[in-house]
Amino acid sequence: GNSVTQMEGPVTLSEEAFLTINCTYTATGYPSLFWYVQYPGEGLQLLLKATKADDKGSNKGFEATYRKETTSFHLEKGSVQVSDSAVYFCALKSGNNRKLIWGLGTSLAVNP
Amino acid sequence: SQTIHQWPATLVQPVGSPLSLECTVEGTSNPNLYWYRQAAGRGLQLLFYSVGIGQISSEVPQNLSASRPQDRQFILSSKKLLLSDSGFYLCAWSRQAEQYFGPGTRLTVT
Repeated sequence: GNSVTQMEGPVTLSEEAFLTINCTYTATGYPSLFWYVQYPGEGLQLLLKATKADDKGSNKGFEATYRKETTSFHLEKGSVQVSDSAVYFCALKSGNNRKLIWGLGTSLAVNP
Repeated sequence: SQTIHQWPATLVQPVGSPLSLECTVEGTSNPNLYWYRQAAGRGLQLLFYSVGIGQISSEVPQNLSASRPQDRQFILSSKKLLLSDSGFYLCAWSRQAEQYFGPGTRLTVT
């Protein structure tokens, strides 16, 4: 079946450090891939998405590239800020399935 | 633009009491609607989803139920709450692939 695997956290970085959060997936066909962010006490927000192989999603300085050959969609940011502290979720949607398949989330803490 | 509302924002209820959480969506029609629960501030558990009025799919057997009395209204209910029902409840909507989430309801069962 379809699945999403994220690196376990928590991830702790200093401000301006480089961020990578790994996400790999298992799916039939060509799924759409997403990154969501959840700030403390809030709902999830769509951060970026990619719908086909080699697409790069980007938003707020975050990027992720849909790699079909490695079945990966790693989230990166060149210079994190304290305000990026949150939980990040990777997700996929496969075919006509109305549900998203979610990773378990990766907590990021950025220290000043 | 589309917006999604959930209320109440926080709720403290005793064990055995009933529950009703409401979610409404504005600015779109015939959305797919979803109820999730999040425990310990981390993973998401899909509870119910709906593709239309009166159409509910249950993902996890439990003492919760859902209803969709109107196109853009989704209600989560329980007749008798358990301690294990505590958590952060999130409603979401979608038209195509991505889902959009409401602000959530923090439920504490005491």
